[in-house]
Amino acid sequence: EDQVTQSPEALRLQEGESSSLNCSYTVSGLRGLFWYRQDPGKGPEFLFTLYSAGEEKEKERLKATLTKKESFLHITAPKPEDSATYLCAVQAGNTDKLIFGTGTRLQVFP
Amino acid sequence: NAGVTQTPKFRVLKTGQSMTLLCAQDMNHEYMYWYRQDPGMGLRLIHYSVGEGTTAKGEVPDGYNVSRLKKQNFLLGLESAAPSQTSVYFCASSVSGYGYTFGSGTRLTVV
Repeated sequence: EDQVTQSPEALRLQEGESSSLNCSYTVSGLRGLFWYRQDPGKGPEFLFTLYSAGEEKEKERLKATLTKKESFLHITAPKPEDSATYLCAVQAGNTDKLIFGTGTRLQVFP
Repeated sequence: NAGVTQTPKFRVLKTGQSMTLLCAQDMNHEYMYWYRQDPGMGLRLIHYSVGEGTTAKGEVPDGYNVSRLKKQNFLLGLESAAPSQTSVYFCASSVSGYGYTFGSGTRLTVV
């Protein structure tokens, strides 16, 4: 069964303290791995798509990487406005359905 | 561009009542989805559609029905609401192979 597991469930960082979020997956035939950001009371907002092991994508203080079994979202020198829940999802097989992890709730305090 | 618009944003239902949630997208996307989001459970797929006139079951379809009569609209119906359907519902649309665009959600409470 296709499965996505994110860790940690929650992460508290001081402003400027870099860290990484993990997304491990077991799927048959990975087509893509997606990262989303979700703010309270809002829908998920697309961040990145990774398609193959070794691929990396960057956006401001965020960098996503992909291996054959997991993805990392690295946050460099975070700011309070980076506080949100970060969701990982995989697309597998011959469908466009996304299977989501339960997310990592990130809090960055000054 | 409005993207994906969901109505209503909030609703309180009594057990046994029915309602329809509306999702509209203006991006000409073929694919549309309904998810529910519950604490600790993540986003779970209810139903989806790969084109006008088509629908398919997702992971948690029981108690829900959907229709996609027009390409831009995807309706989610609850025929007889139950407290277990209390959740936040998200609609999304996509082009094949790319990420989803989500709406802002409908917070539904069934009492």
